[in-house]
Amino acid sequence: EVQLVESGGGLVQPGRSLKLSCLASGFTFSNYGMNWIRQAPGKGLEWVASISSSSSYIYYADTVKGRFTISRDNAKNTLYLQMTSLRSEDTALYYCARRHTMGPFDYWGQGVMVTVSS
Amino acid sequence: DVLMTQTPVSLPVSLGGQVSISCRSSQSLVHSDGNTYLHWYLQKPGQSPQLLIYRVSNRFSGVPDRFSGSGSGTDFTLKISRVEPEDLGVYYCLQSTHFPLTFGSGTKLEIK
Repeated sequence: EVQLVESGGGLVQPGRSLKLSCLASGFTFSNYGMNWIRQAPGKGLEWVASISSSSSYIYYADTVKGRFTISRDNAKNTLYLQMTSLRSEDTALYYCARRHTMGPFDYWGQGVMVTVSS
Repeated sequence: DVLMTQTPVSLPVSLGGQVSISCRSSQSLVHSDGNTYLHWYLQKPGQSPQLLIYRVSNRFSGVPDRFSGSGSGTDFTLKISRVEPEDLGVYYCLQSTHFPLTFGSGTKLEIK
């Protein structure tokens, strides 16, 4: 069974940093591209970042470019999101999701909440 | 960036009825590889989004045939027939042809 479990969220002050993790199991992690998607309270879905299976290709949304860094450790089956210079508008539930070979995000974690507030 | 315009915002339905949701993109979603990477999700209250349809018209594993997708280029539709209580929630389209990847703003399916 495919499982994605996010961790590392919490309450953080504006301008500070936070690192999210996503532990994958039930599939060969190193064969799949991975993504972070977020959802502000009561709002829709926003794609944040993508990383290819070997980390060769990385893409970011303009809203986080230069502040967030996506990375992965295939030996640990873990996806990361390093978030710096956090803003109130980064407050959201952050999901990690696997990218199916046919293009969509086929499996999602349960999400981890990040709240940026003083 | 590709803008995904999803309509309607809210969709009242009677159980057993049929509904359609539209998703239009600001540019063609046909990739240089010839595929169209337009997908549909359902987010039930308090849950993570779940994949329903991928690449326009392919049902994901375990998705009942009451759900069907169609369209091409910039104009796409999700149809749900014989609506059941478990179908209620917010539906999103997603394009993964062009970076940045973009979602529609969502359609809330609710009981009439």
